[in-house]
Amino acid sequence: AQSVAQPEDQVNVAEGNPLTVKCTYSVSGNPYLFWYVQYPNRGLQFLLKYITGDNLVKGSYGFEAEFNKSQTSFHLKKPSALVSDSALYFCAVRDPFSGGYNKLIFGAGTRLAVHP
Amino acid sequence: EAGVTQFPSHSVIEKGQTVTLRCDPISGHDNLYWYRRVMGKEIKFLLHFVKESKQDESGMPNNRFLAERTGGTYSTLKVQPAELEDSGVYFCASSQVTAVNEQFFGPGTRLTVL
Repeated sequence: AQSVAQPEDQVNVAEGNPLTVKCTYSVSGNPYLFWYVQYPNRGLQFLLKYITGDNLVKGSYGFEAEFNKSQTSFHLKKPSALVSDSALYFCAVRDPFSGGYNKLIFGAGTRLAVHP
Repeated sequence: EAGVTQFPSHSVIEKGQTVTLRCDPISGHDNLYWYRRVMGKEIKFLLHFVKESKQDESGMPNNRFLAERTGGTYSTLKVQPAELEDSGVYFCASSQVTAVNEQFFGPGTRLTVL
């Protein structure tokens, strides 16, 4: 079955330190991968995506993600965390059986807490 | 450009009652998706419209859920009768035609069934 795993319910990091939010996937074929962020009382906001090409993808708000095919991972990273980055982060993969459309399979989410 | 809007933001109903959720996608977006997040778990796909047609409703839990998209614009999701396990946050998302485009999500409707 196609799936996404986010192994950490919560990640704590001090402001100014680098952060990593982990994501692994299991999907047939070449994956289309996405990261979304949800701030309190807001909808999910798109951060970045990997479709093909360079394994390091840069996105909004200084975030980047590294696609690793051999490890089936797509970890989200940022060199220097801000308190304002505190939010709920979701990793998602396109369902390869969605008939050419973009039906997404999500992980359970990881809550990022950045402490001053 | 207005984003995806959803109404209501919160709904508290009793078991057995009916609730209708509404989603207004971004203008011009033919694709409209409904998702649900229950009890802090994964966000799960419910169904997908292309314009007014249901492209994929494989994620609909059962026949108590009915989704419509009249005229290919806004969409409604009706739950009748509601059960306790229907509680969760219902998200709507829209996107343009190209398959790899990111989806734009609404703020969600938090449904609580007592």
